[in-house]
Amino acid sequence: KAGVTQTPRYLIKTRGQQVTLSCSPISGHRSVSWYQQTPGQGLQFLFEYFSETQRNKGNFPGRFSGRQFSNSRSEMNVSTLELGDSALYLCASSLGPQGAGYGYTFGSGTRLTVV
Amino acid sequence: QQQVKQSPQSLIVQKGGISIINCAYENTAFDYFPWYQQFPGKGPALLIAIRPDVSEKKEGRFTISFNKSAKQFSLHIMDSQPGDSATYFCAASMGGNMLTFGGGTRLMVKP
Repeated sequence: KAGVTQTPRYLIKTRGQQVTLSCSPISGHRSVSWYQQTPGQGLQFLFEYFSETQRNKGNFPGRFSGRQFSNSRSEMNVSTLELGDSALYLCASSLGPQGAGYGYTFGSGTRLTVV
Repeated sequence: QQQVKQSPQSLIVQKGGISIINCAYENTAFDYFPWYQQFPGKGPALLIAIRPDVSEKKEGRFTISFNKSAKQFSLHIMDSQPGDSATYFCAASMGGNMLTFGGGTRLMVKP
């Protein structure tokens, strides 16, 4: 059974640009959550999508957005990149919105470097 | 309060020893407490998890101890091995898919 697939694995962008990251969940998983991981702030929740609808949102500026497609794949977008957006972006998929105790699995992440 | 506080930040243990990592939380609405293990270049992987109606859960060499009244929980790794060297995160959630993570503990097990 394939795991959570995140693409690309590595990305280098310039300040002011925008970036789109992709996450393909485990087959049959319909919920996708995104996290930002940095040495200073640790792992922080960005948002969660289920059935193409955002269910929860963390405390991040509006430059961070996401969406989910009918096949449960999800993308997140960061506009007007800042140096502080350099991080490992992780997505996690689960069966549904019933809780992280039901098959919650992380991908290996996308390492974004903003220069 | 959404915070989960984790200690220590780093830990060095001899092979065969016991590694202990502690976490404390404030929000009594949390009802699911997982521990994750993360190796460099990888995403966090679920190690073991507990719900507040249980005081202890053991899976192999890994044990979670949960103290509901003190709002604390801890991970014990028995017979620690060099392969256990990784970063460990505690987390908590309130019945949904949003996890609040502790700051992480970098464990090094010396041969």
